[in-house]
Amino acid sequence: KAGVTQTPRYLIKTRGQQVTLSCSPISGHRSVSWYQQTPGQGLQFLFEYFSETQRNKGNFPGRFSGRQFSNSRSEMNVSTLELGDSALYLCASSLVQVSAEAFFGQGTRLTVV
Amino acid sequence: TQLLEQSPQFLSIQEGENLTVYCNSSSVFSSLQWYRQEPGEGPVLLVTVVTGGEVKKLKRLTFQFGDARKDSSLHITAAQPGDTGLYLCAGATGGSYIPTFGRGTSLIVHP
Repeated sequence: KAGVTQTPRYLIKTRGQQVTLSCSPISGHRSVSWYQQTPGQGLQFLFEYFSETQRNKGNFPGRFSGRQFSNSRSEMNVSTLELGDSALYLCASSLVQVSAEAFFGQGTRLTVV
Repeated sequence: TQLLEQSPQFLSIQEGENLTVYCNSSSVFSSLQWYRQEPGEGPVLLVTVVTGGEVKKLKRLTFQFGDARKDSSLHITAAQPGDTGLYLCAGATGGSYIPTFGRGTSLIVHP
């Protein structure tokens, strides 16, 4: 059974640009959650998608958005990048709802310069 | 204020030593999870504890959930270099499914 796949693994962007990250969940899992991990704040919940709908949202500005496709694959977009957006972005896959018991991808390391 | 406090923040030990890391909160959790994250990788789920006072063992790792379901500990016996990583505890509280993660304990085991 394939795990959670995130692409790309590494990304370098310039301030003001926008970026799109991709996540393919485990087959059969319908809930996809996104997290931001930084040394200072740890792992923080961004949002969850289920059946192509955003079901839960964390405390992040509107520059962070996402979507989910009919095959459960999800994308996350960050617009007008800031230096503070540099982080490891993790996608987690669960069967039916966001859960602390989840399967994580390897993450996308985003560096904003 | 972090909902889940983990201690110690850093731990550097020699192979063969024992260690315990802690995860504490003032909130009650329906369950708590422990993850290990290696550098450049995503967290990998180690265990879920559900019942107050529950003890689970995974080879040399022993996990305990506090009686009041507000805290948990992870004990590693005879640590090995392969145990090196960031240990994270996580859980959801207050009827929410959205998990909160502690900031983790970074463990280095020297050969």
